[in-house]
Amino acid sequence: ILNVEQSPQSLHVQEGDSTNFTCSFPSSNFYALHWYRWETAKSPEALFVMTLNGDEKKKGRISATLNTKEGYSYLYIKGSQPEDSATYLCAFLSGGSYIPTFGRGTSLIVHP
Amino acid sequence: SAVISQKPSRDICQRGTSLTIQCQVDSQVTMMFWYRQQPGQSLTLIATANQGSEATYESGFVIDKFPISRPNLTFSTLTVSNMSPEDSSIYLCSVESEGDLYGYTFGSGTRLTVV
Repeated sequence: ILNVEQSPQSLHVQEGDSTNFTCSFPSSNFYALHWYRWETAKSPEALFVMTLNGDEKKKGRISATLNTKEGYSYLYIKGSQPEDSATYLCAFLSGGSYIPTFGRGTSLIVHP
Repeated sequence: SAVISQKPSRDICQRGTSLTIQCQVDSQVTMMFWYRQQPGQSLTLIATANQGSEATYESGFVIDKFPISRPNLTFSTLTVSNMSPEDSSIYLCSVESEGDLYGYTFGSGTRLTVV
């Protein structure tokens, strides 16, 4: 059983704050890491797929970094807005498997 | 990427009854995946549904409890049988996203409460 941990479990911030959270995964046999955003009553939406150590991806105010040697990825949100409120999931893929292991998610609530 | 319609979006069911969840994809796909997220837990794969063959269940999930149908390449159903309060979860169907290194496209989920 692969251990994929996300922290914190939940986060409350004020509009305009910048924030970040972590996904930890096994440092061996890495293949890919996915980040998803899951708003209540909607489908989880793919944000990033990361494959190379040192990868940095950006989409608007959201960015992510990857460290496969130490087994973690950070997701950053700059200038949080209420519409960023969602659960952010990471999903780890090891080599040889097409089935990802999901973390429990970080629930972000941005207060106006 | 594919668009998935999932229904019902939510339901409240009595224990001992069964609920069937449907997913319709707007394109033909080989594999469809059924996930469950229990409160406070991670998304966990229940089974992989292939058209024309029996579904492949993950450890801890059995066909009698979660029968799956896959009559064609665009549709699948998951039934949660003989429900108990422990089955209260969000159930999601998904398909692989094309060209996305085993990323998924998901349905909007079924929020099930068993009372």
